Amino acid sequence: EAQVTQNPRYLITVTGKKLTVTCSQNMNHEYMSWYRQDPGLGLRQIYYSMNVEVTDKGDVPEGYKVSRKEKRNFPLILESPSPNQTSLYFCASSLTGDRYHEQYFGPGTRLTVT
Amino acid sequence: AQSVAQPEDQVNVAEGNPLTVKCTYSVSGNPYLFWYVQYPNRGLQFLLKYITGDNLVKGSYGFEAEFNKSQTSFHLKKPSALVSDSALYFCAVRVRDSSYKLIFGSGTRLLVRP
Repeated sequence: EAQVTQNPRYLITVTGKKLTVTCSQNMNHEYMSWYRQDPGLGLRQIYYSMNVEVTDKGDVPEGYKVSRKEKRNFPLILESPSPNQTSLYFCASSLTGDRYHEQYFGPGTRLTVT
Repeated sequence: AQSVAQPEDQVNVAEGNPLTVKCTYSVSGNPYLFWYVQYPNRGLQFLLKYITGDNLVKGSYGFEAEFNKSQTSFHLKKPSALVSDSALYFCAVRVRDSSYKLIFGSGTRLLVRP
């Protein structure tokens, strides 16, 4: 089944404790992206990657890091999480090129930082 | 600034009645337009998109959307609502550049009562 997977689905952590949220897709998509969803704000892009070893900042990159060493994986790293990073996080992927438009989303990771 | 507006936080309709969820956008050029749906504890699912051509586009689960260039709107519609349509709906636009970034509205909760 074609899908985007994220782990963990739920995470409660404390301020300053480094964490990684994994994202993997099995559709051979070039493009991958991370969004955070907050009430009343919709989804905002954190980072994106056009292909392996190519990453760029989105609208809200502060406090986050990413890497793209393999095409299928795009982990989101919080080096020193803070309570304002408590949110629902989504990974998404898509093919690139003019024929391909919609992005496919993972199930989400709900992160709570205390 | 580029933005997407969903003016209604919640839309309430009775089962069997038609529904409309509104979306307007303010972006440069001719963007790609999307609707996504989010069910509880699930990721976003793609419903439909407008790329070019006919202003009325049909999507999954009987939904359709009408693109109006002069009003910069892309309202989601369904002729007959089902209780199972109750969910959170997001309008999104993607500018026609190389970033592939989706700009989301804040979401509209649709509640269909029996």
